Amino acid sequence: SQTIHQWPATLVQPVGSPLSLECTVEGTSNPNLYWYRQAAGRGLQLLFYSVGIGQISSEVPQNLSASRPQDRQFILSSKKLLLSDSGFYLCAWSSEDTEAFFGQGTRLTVV
Amino acid sequence: GDSVTQMEGPVTLSEEAFLTINCTYTATGYPSLFWYVQYPGEGLQLLLKATKADDKGSNKGFEATYRKETTSFHLEKGSVQVSDSAVYFCALYQGAQKLVFGQGTRLTINP
Repeated sequence: SQTIHQWPATLVQPVGSPLSLECTVEGTSNPNLYWYRQAAGRGLQLLFYSVGIGQISSEVPQNLSASRPQDRQFILSSKKLLLSDSGFYLCAWSSEDTEAFFGQGTRLTVV
Repeated sequence: GDSVTQMEGPVTLSEEAFLTINCTYTATGYPSLFWYVQYPGEGLQLLLKATKADDKGSNKGFEATYRKETTSFHLEKGSVQVSDSAVYFCALYQGAQKLVFGQGTRLTINP
C-alpha cells in the first residue's frame, strides 16, 4: 500500500535561518507531488507541484523553493526564513485524477 | 486559471441539524471534483469525489452532486454529529496535474 511520510512534525526556527522540509512517498511510481501551506485561519495555498524528477512548477512567487531529487522525494527549502513563512505545511501525492493523499503536516513557527 | 470558491465560514450548527456547504468552481473542460476533511492538527483526508457531470459522491452520510450547469459541488448531510466538526475543503483536479483547493470552511457542531 502507498504511504507518505513528512517530517518534522513541528519546527521552530529563527528569522533568517534556512529551512528544509522533506516528504517521501512509498508504494507508488511517478506520483504527482505537491506542497501546500495553510496559514492560521486561512485556506490551503498551493506552493509547488511536480509531475516528475526535476520538474517543479511554482504557483506563488515567494521566499521558498522546492526540489525533487528522486521520483518519490519532494523537498521544500528556504535560504532565509521570514516571519511570514510561519504556517502549516502539507505534502501530498496523487496519480492522475485520483484522490490526493496527504502527509500529517509540519507546523513551522518562525520566531 | 482554475479556481474553487467555498462559502465563508465558520459554520456553527446544533447536533442533528441539516448541513450545506456551498462550493462553485471555474475551470475549462470537465474537472474531477473532491471534498476533503481536515480534523484538528491533522492532514487532509478525502471525504468524497465525483469525476463527471451528474455523478453523486457519498461517504459517512455526506453527499455532493457534480452539477455542470451551475458549476457547483455543494456538500450536504442530513443530520450532523459533534464528530463532524472539522474544516472542509472543496477541490478540483484537471489536466496539468494540478490539484486546486477552496479556502476551506470550518464547521463546529454543538451538542
